[in-house]
Amino acid sequence: GESVGLHLPTLSVQEGDNSIINCAYSNSASDYFIWYKQESGKGPQFIIDIRSNMDKRQGQRVTVLLNKTVKHLSLQIAATQPGDSAVYFCAENWGAAGNKLTFGGGTRVLVKP
Amino acid sequence: NAGVTQTPKFRVLKTGQSMTLLCAQDMNHEYMYWYRQDPGMGLRLIHYSVGEGTTAKGEVPDGYNVSRLKKQNFLLGLESAAPSQTSVYFCASSVYTGELFFGEGSRLTVL
Repeated sequence: GESVGLHLPTLSVQEGDNSIINCAYSNSASDYFIWYKQESGKGPQFIIDIRSNMDKRQGQRVTVLLNKTVKHLSLQIAATQPGDSAVYFCAENWGAAGNKLTFGGGTRVLVKP
Repeated sequence: NAGVTQTPKFRVLKTGQSMTLLCAQDMNHEYMYWYRQDPGMGLRLIHYSVGEGTTAKGEVPDGYNVSRLKKQNFLLGLESAAPSQTSVYFCASSVYTGELFFGEGSRLTVL
């Protein structure tokens, strides 16, 4: 079946630097993408989403970029803080009935002081 | 602001035992989901529901049953637990499209 994948399993970043987390998707029919953050022992938390008719969306300190030509999604975190240490998942919805999301394997972000 | 609440948070079972995980949401969402998460992996969809009285299979439904008798509750049952079902289970809910709201998870160990 179709899948969502991530290029880097672990990302170490210096506090204050920018982080970039990448995600490749393979289903060209996907029309909605979400980034989730999961802290240890907790459930995933919504960060930001983007629909396929957009190529960029900004939130507070986060930006999601969507490149449909190469089926690539990225999450940029500006001025990374210790509280950003977590596992980040991208997920796609390819329009199937029931609003089902397919999740990638996750990238762990470690923020060094 | 309870959101999505899962009970129990932890459970240890012996192989062959049965149990039910309860998920409750207070956001009046139509859609509810059960995912499992294994170490170092993403979430995989077990079953989902698009409304009261409906259920459907997800990616990994074998060994599980679900029921949605009330809109706010979604139950996940294991009739005969196996060690392969040791995992962390997450319930989520959503409106028709868009963001899923997740619970805190239920950690199940099957010995």
